[in-house]
Amino acid sequence: AQTVTQSQPEMSVQEAETVTLSCTYDTSESDYYLFWYKQPPSRQMILVIRQEAYKQQNATENRFSVNFQKAAKSFSLKISDSQLGDAAMYFCAYRRVVAGNTPLVFGKGTRLSVIA
Amino acid sequence: ETGVTQTPRHLVMGMTNKKSLKCEQHLGHNAMYWYKQSAKKPLELMFVYNFKEQTENNSVPSRFSPECPNSSHLFLHLHTLQPEDSALYLCASSQAGRAGGPEQYFGPGTRLTVT
Repeated sequence: AQTVTQSQPEMSVQEAETVTLSCTYDTSESDYYLFWYKQPPSRQMILVIRQEAYKQQNATENRFSVNFQKAAKSFSLKISDSQLGDAAMYFCAYRRVVAGNTPLVFGKGTRLSVIA
Repeated sequence: ETGVTQTPRHLVMGMTNKKSLKCEQHLGHNAMYWYKQSAKKPLELMFVYNFKEQTENNSVPSRFSPECPNSSHLFLHLHTLQPEDSALYLCASSQAGRAGGPEQYFGPGTRLTVT
């Protein structure tokens, strides 16, 4: 079974600084997707960024970028120029690619605090 | 309404009550999911529906009963719950198959407290 591990239960960052959240996963599949989701306090979970395993290029969405190391099964999220609105729980998730539909496997999450 | 909506947002129920959670997606998706989110635990997948058919039941106790009357609506019927069932229940939807995007879209959740 696939597993996703987020080893940092909590992280903090100064406003305008850069922070990196770690995620590792375990799978025997070669084709899959990886995601970072953000869940602000008492608010909806939203997709931050996604990475297709077959793509070597790291995904980027504005201030959010990933460092995808397929051989090491590592998928970290870098947040640049941190803002107060970035404070949230961040979940790393995995989904394998097969015919039909497959659910997401989530890590336990990292709570990010942003200090003004 | 846009995206995925869930009602009610908060629910307090006794162990002998029967209640239902409702989820509706306005994205034209064909797959819907129920997740349970408890403190300090990963999100737990409960049920998966593809094209209204249940394709996964992740060993969920029978006191949770899902219903998917069409691709846009998903219910979770609750009865004789236990205090440990108190959690945030999240609904999500996606477009099954590679033609659709792989990501899931989540509703705001129902915060359930069992007394």
